[in-house]
Amino acid sequence: GAVVSQHPSRVICKSGTSVKIECRSLDFQATTMFWYRQFPKQSLMLMATSNEGSKATYEQGVEKDKFLINHASLTLSTLTVTSAHPEDSSFYICSAKANTEAFFGQGTRLTVV
Amino acid sequence: GDSVTQMEGPVTLSEEAFLTINCTYTATGYPSLFWYVQYPGEGLQLLLKATKADDKGSNKGFEATYRKETTSFHLEKGSVQVSDSAVYFCALSPSGGAQKLVFGQGTRLTINP
Repeated sequence: GAVVSQHPSRVICKSGTSVKIECRSLDFQATTMFWYRQFPKQSLMLMATSNEGSKATYEQGVEKDKFLINHASLTLSTLTVTSAHPEDSSFYICSAKANTEAFFGQGTRLTVV
Repeated sequence: GDSVTQMEGPVTLSEEAFLTINCTYTATGYPSLFWYVQYPGEGLQLLLKATKADDKGSNKGFEATYRKETTSFHLEKGSVQVSDSAVYFCALSPSGGAQKLVFGQGTRLTINP
């Protein structure tokens, strides 16, 4: 199956700094990627839909100025958590659509201290 | 809105035991239903899916039947193995295909030898 690589797998950052997470489709082109967030013992919640060459579509309640998404090429989408705070600590997962199936990255564990 | 409710974990079983993980959903229209599995340190992988009522998805000995009358998609396996230890997510796609997914909270399964 198709492979999606997410980097980094774990990151610890200081409060107030920004963190960038990359999501790459390694062997296919993805015009659409999705970013999810998972709190402990809760569901994965869709944050935004990333569209190559255009602005991302954010879900209700997600701050677009805080979670910056860039999908500049058909194989790369990035999520930047700006001015991170401890409440942003979470597990972030991306997925990329290939035909009728979604392929997921390994996820990124973000800890803001 | 659309939602998925999964059996809470963690679930611990002995090898060769019978497994059921319950999943019920709420959706308008005719969603597609999925089970994803996440092994330690890896991304989510599609385990099986069903796109319409009474469809049965199956893979690696796991099965789930799309029951519209009970709005359920329970995951079953007749004889589990240690290698089945993972986190299992039930999900739906409101519009079918690989569009944005609505997930349950995940069930951690541990199989003891």
